[in-house]
Amino acid sequence: GGIITQTPKFLIGQEGQKLTLKCQQNFNHDTMYWYRQDSGKGLRLIYYSITENDLQKGDLSEGYDASREKKSSFSLTVTSAQKNEMAVFLCASSDGQGGTEVFFGKGTRLTVV
Amino acid sequence: GEQVEQLPSILRVQEGSSASINCSYEDSASNYFPWYKQEPGENPKLIIDIRSNMERKQIQELIVLLDKKAKRFSLHITDTQPGDSAMYFCAASGYAQGLTFGLGTRVSVFP
Repeated sequence: GGIITQTPKFLIGQEGQKLTLKCQQNFNHDTMYWYRQDSGKGLRLIYYSITENDLQKGDLSEGYDASREKKSSFSLTVTSAQKNEMAVFLCASSDGQGGTEVFFGKGTRLTVV
Repeated sequence: GEQVEQLPSILRVQEGSSASINCSYEDSASNYFPWYKQEPGENPKLIIDIRSNMERKQIQELIVLLDKKAKRFSLHITDTQPGDSAMYFCAASGYAQGLTFGLGTRVSVFP
């Protein structure tokens, strides 16, 4: 089996700050995703990438940038952190573009003060 | 994009009884419907999935049903146990799309 590693596990930022979250997977999966999980709001797709250097917007892409530097890594940037923002950002990957199991990392918990 | 509605948001069931969660979707092109279980502090994990060429699938105590005409699918946990207490998410996707999740159902199994 493989593993998805997200760093950092906890991230505290200040309002207006640019923050970067990183994700690495060793499944050799083609597709990687970033989801945001808010309490009571399920998981919402921010960005996904079907191959190296590819980028597709999800429903929640505004306020975020992403970069698929290589097949195994996918980073997410919060372009301007919003005060009192609290959420868990989950990175995921799958072997294909749809219809296959999606594996999740353990998440980065963001708090903006 | 796809929209997925999931009900109920909270479900309390007595140990040994069945728990049912219902989801509906909008995009008729969606063809893959997984269910994820998330325990506190953990990442979501796939427990069962169904594709559009099937109407029913069972893995041990988990049963999923899919009604493509009504655009509905459901998860049934038979003979619930304390270990079944968790958040459950349904999701839907088509080809070349990310998963769209429902808002989740918090299942609590009491003695």
